[in-house]
Amino acid sequence: DVKVTQSSRYLVKRTGEKVFLECVQDMDHENMFWYRQDPGLGLRLIYFSYDVKMKEKGDIPEGYSVSREKKERFSLILESASTNQTSMYLCASSLFLGTQYFGPGTRLLVL
Amino acid sequence: EDKVVQSPLSLVVHEGDTVTLNCSYEVTNFRSLLWYKQEKKAPTFLFMLTSSGIEKKSGRLSSILDKKELFSILNITATQTGDSAIYLCAVVGSGNTGKLIFGQGTTLQVKP
Repeated sequence: DVKVTQSSRYLVKRTGEKVFLECVQDMDHENMFWYRQDPGLGLRLIYFSYDVKMKEKGDIPEGYSVSREKKERFSLILESASTNQTSMYLCASSLFLGTQYFGPGTRLLVL
Repeated sequence: EDKVVQSPLSLVVHEGDTVTLNCSYEVTNFRSLLWYKQEKKAPTFLFMLTSSGIEKKSGRLSSILDKKELFSILNITATQTGDSAIYLCAVVGSGNTGKLIFGQGTTLQVKP
């Protein structure tokens, strides 16, 4: 079974803080993705990576950066958290063009 | 611009009813369409459809793709309260990275 884990289920941060969200997959997948999910807007892609040290912007990359130093790990960084980044963050991984498998999600609240 | 639209956005039914969820898409270089079910956690994979007219089935759930008319439907028969969830449709389009374009989701509530 594919397993995708995320470092935290719930997180509360203050405006201006630097926030790290980590995602780890154990299936040797090439592709990894970060989404945010907001009511009425569905899942929106923030960044994705198709190989170690490779990354591409998704639909809403502003205010975020990512890091992929090892194949199994993909980190999402909020350089200076803002209240409009309060959301559910979902990580996913897939083989090349394969089905994406999701982690359990991190609910982030920025005060 | 690539787009995936689901309808209805929300639906309330009673146990035993049959429901049909719709997903239409406009995507460059369509590769495949996926359905996910999301309860109070991560989306879980249901079906991947790549060929027109071939029904995929899993228990009470089934799905079919029409590549000519650019849509897919997800059917759930004899609904149960455990079917209550958000159902997400996503399409793999242009490029070779497996990037998914998601619809807004349909929230289904099944009442006892």
